[in-house]
Amino acid sequence: RKEVEQDPGPFNVPEGATVAFNCTYSNSASQSFFWYRQDCRKEPKLLMSVYSSGNEDGRFTAQLNRASQYISLLIRDSKLSDSATYLCVVNRPSGTYKYIFGTGTRLKVLA
Amino acid sequence: GAGVSQSPSNKVTEKGKDVELRCDPISGHTALYWYRQSLGQGLEFLIYFQGNSAPDKSGLPSDRFSAERTGGSVSTLTIQRTQQEDSAVYLCASSLALRGGYTFGSGTRLTVV
Repeated sequence: RKEVEQDPGPFNVPEGATVAFNCTYSNSASQSFFWYRQDCRKEPKLLMSVYSSGNEDGRFTAQLNRASQYISLLIRDSKLSDSATYLCVVNRPSGTYKYIFGTGTRLKVLA
Repeated sequence: GAGVSQSPSNKVTEKGKDVELRCDPISGHTALYWYRQSLGQGLEFLIYFQGNSAPDKSGLPSDRFSAERTGGSVSTLTIQRTQQEDSAVYLCASSLALRGGYTFGSGTRLTVV
């Protein structure tokens, strides 16, 4: 099983739709989780951290499910500008803060 | 500086040559990471530095790869005797805290011909 696994997509959704991505991780001791956004041929940019209690930033909601070892990202009222690849990031525990990136989920928001 | 600065932004080199990539992290950031991303692929961890601790080099793909971080600030990634499979975008990132999200530089696109 991969350390961090994401559905590569693409997810093609119309403007205004709600879309959700999941990301599963293999190490139950992981403690830090993030979602990054990467536009084509650009560097990844931090979108949001994922807290145990869940967190919301405008149209974006991130949640952590420790029992099932996955994190999720929900985007409401999708905009054309949300089209990008969304990367899930999880730390590899056991004394190191090496962060492992998923291969990303590609989202296309269609007019 | 305001962000993570990487140079050069693009590098084309002949197979067998050595290359040196530079990363200037955000001032005050103690953690610095190198990743690489091949076309259409995810990010591959290479190495990370944290303060004065010994770096975690476990992601370096071969002994042709090495990295240094001088004075806890600027880092250089050196690839000796480059091969075509080394072609990728090399991304540097820094963070203030170990558990914080980090900021990436815009990367160095390396092409080995």
